[in-house]
Amino acid sequence: GAGVSQSPSNKVTEKGKDVELRCDPISGHTALYWYRQSLGQGLEFLIYFQGNSAPDKSGLPSDRFSAERTGGSVSTLTIQRTQQEDSAVYLCASSRRPLNQPQHFGDGTRLSIL
Amino acid sequence: QQQVKQSPQSLIVQKGGISIINCAYENTAFDYFPWYQQFPGKGPALLIAIRPDVSEKKEGRFTISFNKSAKQFSLHIMDSQPGDSATYFCAASIMDSNYQLIWGAGTKLIIKP
Repeated sequence: GAGVSQSPSNKVTEKGKDVELRCDPISGHTALYWYRQSLGQGLEFLIYFQGNSAPDKSGLPSDRFSAERTGGSVSTLTIQRTQQEDSAVYLCASSRRPLNQPQHFGDGTRLSIL
Repeated sequence: QQQVKQSPQSLIVQKGGISIINCAYENTAFDYFPWYQQFPGKGPALLIAIRPDVSEKKEGRFTISFNKSAKQFSLHIMDSQPGDSATYFCAASIMDSNYQLIWGAGTKLIIKP
């Protein structure tokens, strides 16, 4: 497929566990974004990667959240010591330079913390 | 000043009617205004976008109207269909210098058959 791929599509875990969410962007897209969407809410920016530049981590809500992007392609969002308020849909998007728009979204990972 | 305010929060329209969703912004440096459509269980997808050099852009049944002086833009869906039922998000950004989209809170649109 040519779209943004996210895995897993659903993740249920116990409070206090660590989780890893994966995003495979569209081939050739150098920009990659992570967003969080709580039930019935808008999109909350988490982090932005652009090529080999230092990522913009300004949206990460706490130091329990981190993200990596290996080889300028696949990205992993890690949430350590999960809390119930982390329950949300985590969306990944990618875009092409130089305009960075439009952003193409995956279908998200629905994370539920018990 | 970075906010984009979207209204209404939810909207019910009869099939065949016109759906109108409004957004307002404060930052006059914004120069790219997209609308995204999101179906349940799916990620948002770009529907239509406008730059401030035009006051209106139409793609099929979907039209963006842009009022630069009022700092407002709106999405009009003509002849609304049940398949248009989705959540719609407006957003804004500065194309040349800023990658971040500033998102509205979303409008849940229901088209009644």
